[in-house]
Amino acid sequence: QKEVEQDPGPLSVPEGAIVSLNCTYSNSAFQYFMWYRQYSRKGPELLMYTYSSGNKEDGRFTAQVDKSSKYISLFIRDSQPSDSATYLCAMSAGNYGGSQGNLIFGKGTKLSVKP
Amino acid sequence: KAGVTQTPRYLIKTRGQQVTLSCSPISGHRSVSWYQQTPGQGLQFLFEYFSETQRNKGNFPGRFSGRQFSNSRSEMNVSTLELGDSALYLCASSEGGQIEQYFGPGTRLTVT
Repeated sequence: QKEVEQDPGPLSVPEGAIVSLNCTYSNSAFQYFMWYRQYSRKGPELLMYTYSSGNKEDGRFTAQVDKSSKYISLFIRDSQPSDSATYLCAMSAGNYGGSQGNLIFGKGTKLSVKP
Repeated sequence: KAGVTQTPRYLIKTRGQQVTLSCSPISGHRSVSWYQQTPGQGLQFLFEYFSETQRNKGNFPGRFSGRQFSNSRSEMNVSTLELGDSALYLCASSEGGQIEQYFGPGTRLTVT
């Protein structure tokens, strides 16, 4: 079993839809949870970062972490064609002594928002 | 602030050759990590440098190595290239002690 599982999609939704992206993980030591967006032929762009369990909202984006279920989600409200990209979840057990540690990534979900 | 920069952006090499990739982190960032991204395996951690010291290493063969300079710029080297080394190599930087990593555009390496 991989440490982080993410449905690769592709996921196709109409403009304005609410999008739900999810990851599950097996390592209970993970404490930091991130979502990255990657456009074709570009590097990943950090969207949101959450520590431990709970919700975090930033504009149209909401990240949820349920450590008891080892499940994280990213919701996109009022989705736009410009949201079409690959969304990657990433996790870390934490930083120590100034080190950022290494991130464990899901394989990414490819999202397409149709006008 | 300027973002993470990587050079070159594209590279074509032949099996058996070696290659050096360069990464300049965001100004003030002291941590630099390297990742390999392939369609089959996704993003995989190679190694992390902090203040010129390797702090973490992923599960890659010894052909993959790196270093960090006093100005936080980093290089990674791959020796004796194999076809399977064809990938997008990404560099990410972070402020010391911060978990958020910011990625560069990557270097796309093709091994023929």
